[in-house]
Amino acid sequence: GAVVSQHPSRVICKSGTSVKIECRSLDFQATTMFWYRQFPKKSLMLMATSNEGSKATYEQGVEKDKFLINHASLTLSTLTVTSAHPEDSSFYICSAQWPGQRLIQYFGAGTRLSVL
Amino acid sequence: EDKVVQSPLSLVVHEGDTVTLNCSYEVTNFRSLLWYKQEKKAPTFLFMLTSSGIEKKSGRLSSILDKKELFSILNITATQTGDSAVYLCASVSGNTGKLIFGQGTTLQVKP
Repeated sequence: GAVVSQHPSRVICKSGTSVKIECRSLDFQATTMFWYRQFPKKSLMLMATSNEGSKATYEQGVEKDKFLINHASLTLSTLTVTSAHPEDSSFYICSAQWPGQRLIQYFGAGTRLSVL
Repeated sequence: EDKVVQSPLSLVVHEGDTVTLNCSYEVTNFRSLLWYKQEKKAPTFLFMLTSSGIEKKSGRLSSILDKKELFSILNITATQTGDSAVYLCASVSGNTGKLIFGQGTTLQVKP
């Protein structure tokens, strides 16, 4: 299967700071990537759809100024959690849509964010 | 509202048992249904189902879709401890490729 790399895998930060998470498709070009959030023992909740060269599309209830998404190239999307608060602590996972087969997404390993 | 519902939410079996995981969906403009396995980190892709009645198989795992009943099952035969994971079912909706996930089924296989 395709490889999606997500970095960092774990981050601990102080309240009020910003954290950037990177998602890279290593062996294919992805015009569309997705960002999810997963709470403990819960399923994945879609936060936003990241499209290369255009603005991200956010799901209802997700603050776009809080969760900044940039998809500057066909292999890289970034999610920046700005002015992080303890309630932002969560597991964030990205996925990349396989080109030519838009129905399959391949996932990164996820980033565990802890805001103190 | 689009939704995907999985059952059971959790399951404990012993090695060698066969398990069946269920997934029902109500999705507008349904495109396909996907199964993923999640072991602590990233979900790994298992199957994509688009047509009714055609079974997909990979080793001890198999899955089938019933588009009339809006239902899919994932079967695992001769379970092993390595099968312990959360199994996620997701439906692809519309033209955006967005995935709508079920709650997941947590499977624990005891030796």
